[in-house]
Amino acid sequence: QVQLVQSGAEVKKPGASVKVSCKASGYTFTGYYMHWVRQAPGQGLEWMGRINPNSGGTNYAQKFQGRVTMTRDTSISTAYMELSRLRSDDTAVYYCARAKGLDRRGYFDYWGQGTLVTVSS
Amino acid sequence: QSVLTQPPSVSAAPGQKVTISCSGSSSNIGNNYVSWYQQLPGTAPKLLIYDNNKRPSGIPDRFSGSKSGTSATLGITGLQTGDEADYYCGTWDSSLSAGQVFGGGTKLTVL
Repeated sequence: QVQLVQSGAEVKKPGASVKVSCKASGYTFTGYYMHWVRQAPGQGLEWMGRINPNSGGTNYAQKFQGRVTMTRDTSISTAYMELSRLRSDDTAVYYCARAKGLDRRGYFDYWGQGTLVTVSS
Repeated sequence: QSVLTQPPSVSAAPGQKVTISCSGSSSNIGNNYVSWYQQLPGTAPKLLIYDNNKRPSGIPDRFSGSKSGTSATLGITGLQTGDEADYYCGTWDSSLSAGQVFGGGTKLTVL
C-alpha cells in the first residue's frame, strides 16, 4: 500500500533553515510528482511547490521563490523540502502529497502525516 | 486570503444533507478540474472527490461533487457525526503564477 512517512517535528530559531523529508513506499517513486503543502495553526492549506522525482525538475509558488528548495533521492525514494530564512509565520504543519494526474487534472491522492515546524526565538 | 472562496462554516443535523460551495475564476475552476479533501481534527487531508465529481475507491456515495462555470459544490447526504471535519476544495490555477490553489476551508458541524 502507498505510504508517505515524514520526518519528525522541528523547532528552529528565526533565520535558520529546516529540511523535512518524505519517504515514499508502495509505488514507483519516480512515476508521480511530489508536492509540498503547509498549514499554519488554525489556517487553511497553502501550496508551496512540487518536484518531478524522475527529472528533479521543480516548480515553486511565487511566495516561496528564493527561500524553498525541493530535492529528491531516488535511491531511497525520498523527497525533501528545505525552507530557509525562517520567520515566526513559517510555523506550520508541512505535508508532502503525491499527485495523481498533471496540472489541470492533478489532485493529491496520498498525503504524509505532516511535520510540525515551530519557529521561535 | 485564499484564491478560492468557501463559506467558513456550515451545519446540519444527522441524517440531513449539506452542500459546500467553492467559487473561483476562469484561470482556475473555470478551466481546470476540481478536487475536494476532508480533514478530520489533527489529521492529514484525505481525498474525497477528484475530476470534479469522481470518488476514489472507499469513499461512500453519500459524497458527491459537481462543477458549473467557475464554481464547484460538494454535497454530503445522510450526515453522520463522523463527518464533522474541515473540507477544502482545490484546483490548478493557470495564471502567470501557475500552481495548485485551495479554498480557505469550510468547517462542517453535525448538530
